[in-house]
Amino acid sequence: DTGVSQDPRHKITKRGQNVTFRCDPISEHNRLYWYRQTLGQGPEFLTYFQNEAQLEKSRLLSDRFSAERPKGSFSTLEIQRTEQGDSAMYLCASSSTAAFEKLFFGSGTQLSVL
Amino acid sequence: AQKITQTQPGMFVQEKEAVTLDCTYDTSDQSYGLFWYKQPSSGEMIFLIYQGSYDEQNATEGRYSLNFQKARKSANLVISASQLGDSAMYFCAMRDPRGAGRRALTFGSGTRLQVQP
Repeated sequence: DTGVSQDPRHKITKRGQNVTFRCDPISEHNRLYWYRQTLGQGPEFLTYFQNEAQLEKSRLLSDRFSAERPKGSFSTLEIQRTEQGDSAMYLCASSSTAAFEKLFFGSGTQLSVL
Repeated sequence: AQKITQTQPGMFVQEKEAVTLDCTYDTSDQSYGLFWYKQPSSGEMIFLIYQGSYDEQNATEGRYSLNFQKARKSANLVISASQLGDSAMYFCAMRDPRGAGRRALTFGSGTRLQVQP
């Protein structure tokens, strides 16, 4: 059981730069989620894929954010023109099509925008 | 809008004792799911327990049980026989198909549990 892996674990960038994060879900899972977590808060939903189709997007996902899952396996989350307010932990989760759909989370990517 | 409230920012418990972490929720739907996750300092969210709104019995998973009181809209997590490794943040979450997103989980702000030897 390899679990959900995210890369990188930490990213420090300067304001205005673009960053890209990668998520590799559990191999048999067809659903993939991105969440954002700021200090002292619970995770907030960003977007959801079923296979390669992006089916839901939160209003939190501004035009500067884009997510892809090109072959229904790994996913990338790109933030363009980063702002200090983008500093957060970005969590990826995956699940199978099960009765109550337990989410398996990765350890996250901690983004710091200077 | 759906909402999850966790009123205890921090809790202390002695090793081997039981502890209850509070969670109340707000939804207008009859069909929803309630989850508890644990987040240790490593950052990974670990699933603990699930309760469906139509489940008549309280969910149990090992040392974890969920005290589900539908009329009061509460879903408290009970951890029995606390262990030092239980020290972590605990999040209550809800999936409401008519909420922010059909598949999205809405999380509370969490409770930090510290188990003392």
